[in-house]
Amino acid sequence: DQQVKQNSPSLSVQEGRISILNCDYTNSMFDYFLWYKKYPAEGPTFLISISSIKDKNEDGRFTVFLNKSAKHLSLHIVPSQPGDSAVYFCAASAGQFGNEKLTFGTGTRLTIIP
Amino acid sequence: KAGVTQTPRYLIKTRGQQVTLSCSPISGHRSVSWYQQTPGQGLQFLFEYFSETQRNKGNFPGRFSGRQFSNSRSEMNVSTLELGDSALYLCASSSGSTNEKLFFGSGTQLSVL
Repeated sequence: DQQVKQNSPSLSVQEGRISILNCDYTNSMFDYFLWYKKYPAEGPTFLISISSIKDKNEDGRFTVFLNKSAKHLSLHIVPSQPGDSAVYFCAASAGQFGNEKLTFGTGTRLTIIP
Repeated sequence: KAGVTQTPRYLIKTRGQQVTLSCSPISGHRSVSWYQQTPGQGLQFLFEYFSETQRNKGNFPGRFSGRQFSNSRSEMNVSTLELGDSALYLCASSSGSTNEKLFFGSGTQLSVL
């Protein structure tokens, strides 16, 4: 049972345009959400997070939106740059477990076209 | 500050063998988590150790075990290897507080033949 779903395995976006990566979850106990970015042969690196008490969090070119009623979150990257080409994982946790037990999606491979 | 270090980077084993993977967390971090990454499955949580105690456990069979030492270094062991255990095994460390971000190592790529 995949509790965190990233339905788009891949996405290609022109450099300078907006990249939108989507993530859906089914467990209503999740109250903290994160995005990680992974380059080949490296471990995932933390990108941005959002608590369920918020609906938006912004950090530079990256913005995460949370729609709790739809159990959906999205990551917006504006403007997209070639260095953003990577696999992006959405992750969620339930407060009782803290950040250590994260449930990850299957990832979306983002390719930025120069 | 040195990052999370995992050894070895690559490992080839045959079915039925056992394997031990090692993880050195960031200095000062007391929590170490292990994840398995396979194509199409994303990252699956194995277990988490905090101050030498297993604090959380995922849905993996008992063949997968781990431990943490007093210096916070952690090892993961897989016994009686199966072909399906071929994966990238990632270790992550954090301070152990709620919602503290995880810092991942580069992983150990295990191939079971």
